[in-house]
Amino acid sequence: EAQVTQNPRYLITVTGKKLTVTCSQNMNHEYMSWYRQDPGLGLRQIYYSMNVEVTDKGDVPEGYKVSRKEKRNFPLILESPSPNQTSLYFCASSIHTRNEQFFGPGTRLTVL
Amino acid sequence: TQLLEQSPQFLSIQEGENLTVYCNSSSVFSSLQWYRQEPGEGPVLLVTVVTGGEVKKLKRLTFQFGDARKDSSLHITAAQPGDTGLYLCAGTTSGTYKYIFGTGTRLKVLA
Repeated sequence: EAQVTQNPRYLITVTGKKLTVTCSQNMNHEYMSWYRQDPGLGLRQIYYSMNVEVTDKGDVPEGYKVSRKEKRNFPLILESPSPNQTSLYFCASSIHTRNEQFFGPGTRLTVL
Repeated sequence: TQLLEQSPQFLSIQEGENLTVYCNSSSVFSSLQWYRQEPGEGPVLLVTVVTGGEVKKLKRLTFQFGDARKDSSLHITAAQPGDTGLYLCAGTTSGTYKYIFGTGTRLKVLA
């Protein structure tokens, strides 16, 4: 089944404790993105990747890192999480930016 | 800076009524997509429009891309409770690969 998977689905952590949210797609898509969704602010792109080893900043990259060592995986890293990073995070992939984006199920992160 | 403004933000209507959601920008978009999102899930694509002036129909939903590719609309005819959800427009502006989402329209259709 074609899908985007994210782990974990829920995470409660404390300020400053490094964490990684994994994202994997099995559709051989080139374009992958991370978004955060906050009430009243909609979905905002954090980072995107056009292909392996090609990543770039979205609109809200501060406090986040990504890597794209393999085509299928695009982990999101929070080196030192802060409470303002409490949010609902979505990973997505598509053949290209003009094409349908397939979204993962979301990761609800709480930073205390 | 929010490049895609949607209106209205919230809409509560009775079953059978018609409605239109607007998505506006000052920037030109390479293509524009409409998604619907259910609570606790990721957005799911409804349609992609690419050509200025394009109109696409999906059952009771009609999508239009503005001639200048700066705006779009979603019209729902005879809304049903199953249409309830968050509607999002999204796309990339010409010359970039950033993907921008609109502010969203939360629709509730009452039986």
